[in-house]
Amino acid sequence: DIQVTQSPPSVSASVGDRVTITCRASQGIGSALGWYQQKPGEAPKRLIYAASSLQSGVPSRFSGSGSGTEFTLTISSLQPEDFATYYCLQQNSYPLTFGQGTRLEIK
Amino acid sequence: EVQLVESGGGLVKPGGSLRLSCAGSGFTFSSFSMNWVRQAPGKGLEWVSSISPNSDYIYYADSLKGRFTISRDNAQNSLFLQMNSLRAEDTGVYYCARGSYGDYEYWGQGTLVTVSS
Repeated sequence: DIQVTQSPPSVSASVGDRVTITCRASQGIGSALGWYQQKPGEAPKRLIYAASSLQSGVPSRFSGSGSGTEFTLTISSLQPEDFATYYCLQQNSYPLTFGQGTRLEIK
Repeated sequence: EVQLVESGGGLVKPGGSLRLSCAGSGFTFSSFSMNWVRQAPGKGLEWVSSISPNSDYIYYADSLKGRFTISRDNAQNSLFLQMNSLRAEDTGVYYCARGSYGDYEYWGQGTLVTVSS
C-alpha cells in the first residue's frame, strides 16, 4: 500500500501570507494526487487534481506542483475564507490514501 | 446540478448492522464510479470503498476486513454501503463521492453513523 505523509499538521498564518503544504508518497505515483479543502461541518471540496490542475471555480491563488513522491499545495496570498483543513489524496492505486491533514489557522 | 444525498445513518449498537444509501441526480449515474469516504469525529478523511459504473470493479480499505459491502442500483441512481459487525471505531460521517480513482469532484453532505451501546 502507498503511504502518504502530509506536513505540517497545522500552520498559523495571517491574511496575505504565502503558505505551502507538502505531501510525500512512500513510492512514486506520477501526478496522481489531488488536494481537498474542508471547512467545519462541510464536505470536502476539490481544489487541485492531477497534482497541478486547478479545479474550475477555484481561485488562482491556489496552486499545486510536484510529481513522483513529493507534492506541494501553495496558497499565494491567504484570504479569510481559506482558513480550513487541507488534505492530499493519492490516486495512483488502491487502497487510496489521504494525507493526515493540515489545519490552517489564523495567526 | 449534480446532487448526492446520503441517508441511512443513525445510532447502532456494537456488532449491529446498518445500510447507507446515496441518491444521485443531475448526471448520468450509470456512467460514473462511485465511492464512500468516512471521517471519524475530529479526525481526518479515510477512503472506504469504490465501485465502477457497472459494478465490475470493487475496492475496499484493508481496515474493513470484509465487514462492509458496496453496491449500486443504476436503475434507481443509488449507491449503497452495507455495514455489518459494526465497531465503535466505525463511528463517523460517511460521505459518498462521484468519480474514479480518487478524482472526487462532487460530494454529498454526509450521514452520521454512531456505534455505541
